Amino acid sequence: EAQVTQNPRYLITVTGKKLTVTCSQNMNHEYMSWYRQDPGLGLRQIYYSMNVEVTDKGDVPEGYKVSRKEKRNFPLILESPSPNQTSLYFCASSGEVRGEQYFGPGTRLTVT
Amino acid sequence: RKEVEQDPGPFNVPEGATVAFNCTYSNSASQSFFWYRQDCRKEPKLLMSVYSSGNEDGRFTAQLNRASQYISLLIRDSKLSDSATYLCVVILSGTYKYIFGTGTRLKVLA
Repeated sequence: EAQVTQNPRYLITVTGKKLTVTCSQNMNHEYMSWYRQDPGLGLRQIYYSMNVEVTDKGDVPEGYKVSRKEKRNFPLILESPSPNQTSLYFCASSGEVRGEQYFGPGTRLTVT
Repeated sequence: RKEVEQDPGPFNVPEGATVAFNCTYSNSASQSFFWYRQDCRKEPKLLMSVYSSGNEDGRFTAQLNRASQYISLLIRDSKLSDSATYLCVVILSGTYKYIFGTGTRLKVLA
């Protein structure tokens, strides 16, 4: 089944404790992206990747890191999480840069 | 001014009604346009792309007005299952960034 998976689905952590949210797709897509969704602000792009080893900042990259060492994986790293990073995070992939994006199920992160 | 703006709603309509949403974008260099649907904090899913000539998919019609910088979504014969939040998405020319509107919430009532 074609899908985008994210782990964990739910995470409660404390300020400053490094964490990684994994994202994996099995559709051989080149374009992958991370978003955060907050009430009243909608989905905002954090980082995106055009292909392996090619990443670029979206609109809200501060406090986040990404890597794209393999085509299928695009982990999101929060080196020192803060409460303002409490949000719902989505990973997405697309076979074309401006084509349909397939989203993962989301990761609900709470930073206390 | 937000780059992509949508009326948050909710739009409450009876089953069978026709409902239309607009989405305005501020950057004239916007190149690609989409409508996504999102159910109650689940992942967004593509509803339809929006082409310059307009396009239709069953009960759904999308149109683009470049002169006035808006896209529209028309839903005919609304079903209860159409209840969701509809997200407008824009990609600027020369970039690979997706810009989402905050969404318009639709409730179809029995």
